[in-house]
Amino acid sequence: DAGVIQSPRHEVTEMGQEVTLRCKPISGHDYLFWYRQTMMRGLELLIYFNNNVPIDDSGMPEDRFSAKMPNASFSTLKIQPSEPRDSAVYFCASSSGRSGLAKNIQYFGAGTRLSVL
Amino acid sequence: AQSVTQLGSHVSVSEGALVLLRCNYSSSVPPYLFWYVQYPNQGLQLLLKYTTGATLVKGINGFEAEFKKSETSFHLTKPSAHMSDAAEYFCAVGGRGGGATNKLIFGTGTLLAVQP
Repeated sequence: DAGVIQSPRHEVTEMGQEVTLRCKPISGHDYLFWYRQTMMRGLELLIYFNNNVPIDDSGMPEDRFSAKMPNASFSTLKIQPSEPRDSAVYFCASSSGRSGLAKNIQYFGAGTRLSVL
Repeated sequence: AQSVTQLGSHVSVSEGALVLLRCNYSSSVPPYLFWYVQYPNQGLQLLLKYTTGATLVKGINGFEAEFKKSETSFHLTKPSAHMSDAAEYFCAVGGRGGGATNKLIFGTGTLLAVQP
């Protein structure tokens, strides 16, 4: 398997612009997580989905952030409008809730480094 | 509620020395425990995982961790550090049962430096 795939790897944008980050989870995984990592705040869970349904979005910082999972193989995280304080590395991770040795293990993508100028 | 505390945001060891990274957890249910490693400009990778059974868990790259229920600890060790071990290490806890079992609570990370 190719693992969790995120795109783009780097994104530079200007304040006020819309930003869309994309994630393709590992095939067969039924959980998908979006995290944000910064030096100041560390690794923060933003939102996670189970079977394409958002379960907990309490980590989404404000209404400018939204996430969707239209099908089992694709998710987006959108920021509109973007602000300089949104600059961070955004990670997507997926896992399987089914029984077995791999249960609960989260597999991370390589991340998207976002810079908002 | 679950939480994780990693003692020491920065740890420095000499090459060949023992590596000890500390993790304490809090959980109202028997936990799943994890150690992840993050190399520069990469995502997190699983080092090892404890679910049930043997309390000493061996992972990749010579790392191991011991689950100590009485101390609510899950410290990560490696007998002899290698330069390639320099990275950030995250401890994480997850719950059991139905519902949000696949959600993990991550610690704040420990940055390991290995001196030649």
